[in-house]
Amino acid sequence: DGGITQSPKYLFRKEGQNVTLSCEQNLNHDAMYWYRQDPGQGLRLIYYSQIVNDFQKGDIAEGYSVSREKKESFPLTVTSAQKNPTAFYLCASSIRQFYGYTFGSGTRLTVV
Amino acid sequence: AQTVTQSQPEMSVQEAETVTLSCTYDTSESDYYLFWYKQPPSRQMILVIRQEAYKQQNATENRFSVNFQKAAKSFSLKISDSQLGDAAMYFCAYRSPSTYSGGGADGLTFGKGTHLIIQP
Repeated sequence: DGGITQSPKYLFRKEGQNVTLSCEQNLNHDAMYWYRQDPGQGLRLIYYSQIVNDFQKGDIAEGYSVSREKKESFPLTVTSAQKNPTAFYLCASSIRQFYGYTFGSGTRLTVV
Repeated sequence: AQTVTQSQPEMSVQEAETVTLSCTYDTSESDYYLFWYKQPPSRQMILVIRQEAYKQQNATENRFSVNFQKAAKSFSLKISDSQLGDAAMYFCAYRSPSTYSGGGADGLTFGKGTHLIIQP
């Protein structure tokens, strides 16, 4: 079945470490997105990519980095520069002519 | 930049009754897309319904319907015959169509959500 796979479901990071969250889709969607969700804050856009080898910063990109080497994959790295990384992270994708998103099941990142 | 406001942090409704969730947005664009997403306790985001701004007819999906008031920039969601499985966070979202015409930032802008409780 087509969909978006995020892994791992839960991730623990020590302060000062970088961690990478995986997002893979087999929907043949052009565009992919990373959102951060905090209680009472809704979803906030971190980065997005409309085509391979190109990506753009969203509203809260500081402390994060991404790559888009393949159409199917859009990993997110949470760097040590991110001051408050504990959150729920959602990956999504969209085809160019369909205006909603398909979401992955999310990754819960906790700094310990 | 567009903003989306959901003024009801939490709503409660009796099973089988009707409930309306409010959403307002701010934009200077004339054409755009609006969505309601549901996030149950599993945290999986599920598209409930969408509306294209150039269509005057309100969208309907089974028990879910919207009241789209373009002039008032209002996009409320009505859930009829509420069921226990409707209990979730509901997010209103806005999307500009300008992305694929060569300019502008991409991405959905979300409201902060409304927590819907269904009383049995």
